[in-house]
Amino acid sequence: DGGITQSPKYLFRKEGQNVTLSCEQNLNHDAMYWYRQDPGQGLRLIYYSQIVNDFQKGDIAEGYSVSREKKESFPLTVTSAQKNPTAFYLCASSILGDSPLHFGNGTRLTVT
Amino acid sequence: AQSVSQHNHHVILSEAASLELGCNYSYGGTVNLFWYVQYPGQHLQLLLKYFSGDPLVKGIKGFEAEFIKSKFSFNLRKPSVQWSDTAEYFCAVLLNSGYALNFGKGTSLLVTP
Repeated sequence: DGGITQSPKYLFRKEGQNVTLSCEQNLNHDAMYWYRQDPGQGLRLIYYSQIVNDFQKGDIAEGYSVSREKKESFPLTVTSAQKNPTAFYLCASSILGDSPLHFGNGTRLTVT
Repeated sequence: AQSVSQHNHHVILSEAASLELGCNYSYGGTVNLFWYVQYPGQHLQLLLKYFSGDPLVKGIKGFEAEFIKSKFSFNLRKPSVQWSDTAEYFCAVLLNSGYALNFGKGTSLLVTP
């Protein structure tokens, strides 16, 4: 079955450590996205990528970094510079542009 | 600032009641509009979408939404809700000139038996 795989489902880190969240898709979608979901805040866009080796900052990119070396992979690194990293992180993909997003199951990151 | 507003953060309804969730956006150009649903413990799923044509859009599970351009609105409706509709509902907008969806803050719906 085609889909988006995010791993791990739960992640715990100490403050000051960088952590990388995995996102893999086998839908052959060109575009991939990272959103952060906080209670009462909805989904906020962190980064997105329309093609391999290219990505753009979203609304809340500070303290995050991404790479897009392969079409199917779009890992997100939460750096120690992110002031409030504890959140639920959602990866999504789409064919391009105006097509609907397909979401992964998310990774819940807790930083203590 | 451009934004997507969902008026109700929490809605509680009894089974068989009618549902209407409000969504307004503040973008001036051409938009594509979406409603996504997140059932407890599950990933976000597309409920319905509007790109062009008939402003009344029908989605899965008996949901529909009406695009009213003059009001910058895309309200979600269902005539008779079921307990299984308990979920969080997100309105989202894609600007014609944009590349990523902008989401509202979500509405949490609880349907009681």
